[in-house]
Amino acid sequence: GNSVTQMEGPVTLSEEAFLTINCTYTATGYPSLFWYVQYPGEGLQLLLKATKADDKGSNKGFEATYRKETTSFHLEKGSVQVSDSAVYFCALSEGRGSTLGRLYFGRGTQLTVWP
Amino acid sequence: GAVVSQHPSWVICKSGTSVKIECRSLDFQATTMFWYRQFPKQSLMLMATSNEGSKATYEQGVEKDKFLINHASLTLSTLTVTSAHPEDSSFYICSASLLTGIDYEQYFGPGTRLTVT
Repeated sequence: GNSVTQMEGPVTLSEEAFLTINCTYTATGYPSLFWYVQYPGEGLQLLLKATKADDKGSNKGFEATYRKETTSFHLEKGSVQVSDSAVYFCALSEGRGSTLGRLYFGRGTQLTVWP
Repeated sequence: GAVVSQHPSWVICKSGTSVKIECRSLDFQATTMFWYRQFPKQSLMLMATSNEGSKATYEQGVEKDKFLINHASLTLSTLTVTSAHPEDSSFYICSASLLTGIDYEQYFGPGTRLTVT
């Protein structure tokens, strides 16, 4: 079946520190991989995505590379800001029209960045 | 970009009453919408898949008679929590699927905070 395992938090960093949030997955077929961000009291926003092996998704300084050999999609940012404080969710979909985009989520990682 | 709205953003109701939550895709048509439930500091739990013009598909363990889903048009799905109890208090989030290229992508609503007293 499909599942996502995500590094447990919370993660607390100082501003300008390097961030890594680990994510590994189990999937059948050829999944697409996503990182979503949730700010307090809000819904989810797509942060970045990758649809095939070796693709790198990037947005707002965040990056993640689709690694099929290690079934991973780790999120990284070189220098975090206070405004990056949020909950980050790794997710996969089966892609290619299967189940019309149903997502399987990891448990989420709370990131807090201190000034 | 694709925008999904939810209404209300928060609601407080008394135990035993019913509450309806609306999910609208504002600038695109969505054949399929999803309803999720999120407990504090936890991940999203998929409750059901809502298909326009047909019955919703519920995940295992979700009571379909308690959580009524109606997808009457390509831009509107509603979730009605019937005979609500305090344990139904949660954050409910919907998403709508949009075909982008060859894949479907989900766009999320801002969520509805339900508190049952």
